[in-house]
Amino acid sequence: NAGVMQNPRHLVRRRGQEARLRCSPMKGHSHVYWYRQLPEEGLKFMVYLQKENIIDESGMPKERFSAEFPKEGPSILRIQQVVRGDSAAYFCASSPDSGGQETQYFGPGTRLLVL
Amino acid sequence: LAKTTQPISMDSYEGQEVNITCSHNNIATNDYITWYQQFPSQGPRFIIQGYKTKVTNEVASLFIPADRKSSTLSLPRVSLSDTAVYYCLVGDIRDYKLSFGAGTTVTVRA
Repeated sequence: NAGVMQNPRHLVRRRGQEARLRCSPMKGHSHVYWYRQLPEEGLKFMVYLQKENIIDESGMPKERFSAEFPKEGPSILRIQQVVRGDSAAYFCASSPDSGGQETQYFGPGTRLLVL
Repeated sequence: LAKTTQPISMDSYEGQEVNITCSHNNIATNDYITWYQQFPSQGPRFIIQGYKTKVTNEVASLFIPADRKSSTLSLPRVSLSDTAVYYCLVGDIRDYKLSFGAGTTVTVRA
């Protein structure tokens, strides 16, 4: 039973480019969460999605960041016109329902480096 | 969300017991205490959760005093593979916005 999958695992972008991060939830999970971990810090919630719906995006920066979870395919976190401050590890988690503290399963993360 | 305070780092040796204490003075009645483990280059992994007294599973034990203002994660007989960052989270069990602090970096030496 495959866990949460994220790709790419590492991504290098130059300032001004776009970054697309993908997350495939565990089989049977229809709820996806994105978190960002800046260097030397803990994970911070960004957005919560269900299939075709954004439930809570209160942790998302107001500009340049967007997320989607289409009916078919993985969830995508998109960062437009990246800046050096976007360099971080981005983690995706999934759950079978609106998952609280025990039921979110995390992927291995995507490490974004902006040059 | 209740604020948590835990040590930045702890060192130990193989075979020893490691106890990490987390302070959460403002814990609310509905809040649970949850611990996660994160290895380098991986996402966090749920270890254990409790509300009061003691909880034990195959990985760890969690001790919670009656006033619930702190909790202690106990890792028995650690090995080198237990080297990781350990996070204490306090919040409503239904809250999907998990909030991770800086965690405690546990380093196990041979």
